[in-house]
Amino acid sequence: DAKTTQPPSMDCAEGRAANLPCNHSTISGNEYVYWYRQIHSQGPQYIIHGLKNNETNEMASLIITEDRKSSTLILPHATLRDTAVYYCIVGAQKLVFGQGTRLTINP
Amino acid sequence: GAVVSQHPSWVICKSGTSVKIECRSLDFQATTMFWYRQFPKQSLMLMATSNEGSKATYEQGVEKDKFLINHASLTLSTLTVTSAHPEDSSFYICSATPGQLNTEAFFGQGTRLTVV
Repeated sequence: DAKTTQPPSMDCAEGRAANLPCNHSTISGNEYVYWYRQIHSQGPQYIIHGLKNNETNEMASLIITEDRKSSTLILPHATLRDTAVYYCIVGAQKLVFGQGTRLTINP
Repeated sequence: GAVVSQHPSWVICKSGTSVKIECRSLDFQATTMFWYRQFPKQSLMLMATSNEGSKATYEQGVEKDKFLINHASLTLSTLTVTSAHPEDSSFYICSATPGQLNTEAFFGQGTRLTVV
């Protein structure tokens, strides 16, 4: 069963930063936080993952709270192509998807 | 990033027939692959974990005799939907990892199965 809680939907204006929250209060010590996104009728695309330190790559930043019970994915300058369902997943190898957040970027 | 390829991208079959879906890791060896199913407007549901050289591990509620998984090599896993029925129509997606824990999984583009 999914061990994360995400808002079902969010909107963001194009060019602004999109901040997607995720709660994972039952995360265990060896579990990482992964973020994926899925554009309609495609396979999920990997975005970023981390254990306890904040992470940044060319796509996004991941901020994990000190107690690791929640995290935020930040898309610094959202574009229309970032409209997708974003999944926050905690796990070690087997990834169990929750319902995700449907992010809509508005022009 | 690494590439996982599924074939076919879509397939239409008649009720009662079987359909095989292939999942290949193109530039890395995958000791473990995962199979998911996704119905319209729903999230991905994990069906099974496919382990190279051994039997797949199925999630609760997934019929192992209906969804046959074979992982004969480090770059190929296959899912066969046997005696398909219209309710098996879905989007089937595989993922693969290089084997180490806590590395990202790479997903195929998915296979849309329609049973008529």
